[in-house]
Amino acid sequence: GENVEQHPSTLSVQEGDSAVIKCTYSDSASNYFPWYKQELGKGPQLIIDIRSNVGEKKDQRIAVTLNKTAKHFSLHITETQPEDSAVYFCASNDYKLSFGAGTTVTVRA
Amino acid sequence: ETGVTQTPRHLVMGMTNKKSLKCEQHLGHNAMYWYKQSAKKPLELMFVYNFKEQTENNSVPSRFSPECPNSSHLFLHLHTLQPEDSALYLCASSQATGQPPNYGYTFGSGTRLTVV
Repeated sequence: GENVEQHPSTLSVQEGDSAVIKCTYSDSASNYFPWYKQELGKGPQLIIDIRSNVGEKKDQRIAVTLNKTAKHFSLHITETQPEDSAVYFCASNDYKLSFGAGTTVTVRA
Repeated sequence: ETGVTQTPRHLVMGMTNKKSLKCEQHLGHNAMYWYKQSAKKPLELMFVYNFKEQTENNSVPSRFSPECPNSSHLFLHLHTLQPEDSALYLCASSQATGQPPNYGYTFGSGTRLTVV
C-alpha cells in the first residue's frame, strides 16, 4: 500500500514568517493529495488539496506544490498568524487515503 | 460543524463497562471510517465501511466492534477495554471507496475516550 512520510514532525516559526511542510509518497499511481489541519479538540479539517494534473495551487496564504517525478508535495503557509498553530497532516490516495504522521506547527507571537 | 457528528464528545469508562460511540453524517456519502488517534502517534485506520458493508478491518482487537446499519450511521461498540485504548476516536466519511478518493474525507470532532 501507499507509504506517506511527512517532515518535520514539529515546526516553530515567528509570527509573520513562512512555514513549509514536506511529504513524500510511494505509489506513482496516486493522483490526489489533500492537506488537513487539526486544531486542539477538533477533528482534522481539509484546508487545501491538489490533483496530479497541476503542479501548484494557492488559496490566500496557503499553497501546495506537487512534484510527481520526485513523488513529493509540500504545504506552504505565508505570513503566519497565531491561529495557524495546529497539527497539519498530508495524505495521498491509492484506493483510500494514506496519511502522514503529522506536523505540529507553533506560531510564536 | 463539518457535517459529520460524533457523540459523545467525551467518555470515561471502566475496563468492565460496555459503551458505544456514534457517528452520523448528512453529506450523502457512502463510505465511513473509524480512526484511532493516540498522543504523538499517526492516525490509525481501524475499520472501513462502503455502502454498509465492512471492507477493511486493520487487525483491530475484538473488544472493538463496529456496526453500520445504513450509509449515514456508524457505531463503535466497546467492551472490556484496556487503559491503552484511551485515545481520540475519529469518524470520517467520503463518497465511496473502491475508486480513488478525489474529494477527501470529512472528519467529525471525535470522541475523547478515557479507560480507567
